[in-house]
Amino acid sequence: EPEVTQTPSHQVTQMGQEVILRCVPISNHLYFYWYRQILGQKVEFLVSFYNNEISEKSEIFDDQFSVERPDGSNFTLKIRSTKLEDSAMYFCASEASGGNEQFFGPGTRLTVL
Amino acid sequence: AQSVTQLGSHVSVSEGALVLLRCNYSSSVPPYLFWYVQYPNQGLQLLLKYTSAATLVKGINGFEAEFKKSETSFHLTKPSAHMSDAAEYFCAVSDNTDKLIFGTGTRLQVFP
Repeated sequence: EPEVTQTPSHQVTQMGQEVILRCVPISNHLYFYWYRQILGQKVEFLVSFYNNEISEKSEIFDDQFSVERPDGSNFTLKIRSTKLEDSAMYFCASEASGGNEQFFGPGTRLTVL
Repeated sequence: AQSVTQLGSHVSVSEGALVLLRCNYSSSVPPYLFWYVQYPNQGLQLLLKYTSAATLVKGINGFEAEFKKSETSFHLTKPSAHMSDAAEYFCAVSDNTDKLIFGTGTRLQVFP
């Protein structure tokens, strides 16, 4: 069964460093999302992406964040200069055109020291 | 704006007992409603969804939920809990923009 994959599973970085989180959505999906979950808190929407541009972003998604679909398969989330409060689990999700179900990846745990 | 309230951050039941996890939503448009489950150190798995068809929705692992517009509720139930049901459960709502708004989650514990 097709699934969303994410790499790495765990990323440790120093404050101020750039990180790139990678996702491979399900191949025929057209809508892509990033969510995050700070430890012990609820899952929060970050950004949605369709047709090579951002459809919607939350107030969390400030200038330090960017997303890209560099090729036909990957979908990346970049944090330019990480802060301690960026430590969280980051989930990628994808959705088919005309669908109403988002499929989630297993997440990347980001730890900022 | 859409929002979701999950009453009870922790629910404990005995194996074989009824599971009831509560979810109330607020939406200015007809909502799509979802229940996701998260097992320890894993991602989110869809249990079931309501998309304006039948109000009683059956999902995986014996779970079901009923959409009640008059009560703005979408409670999750399972007649008989199993030890493997222990997990975190999230209710979510989406609108026309497709982003999911999650509740704060309910941790289900199942005792033998």
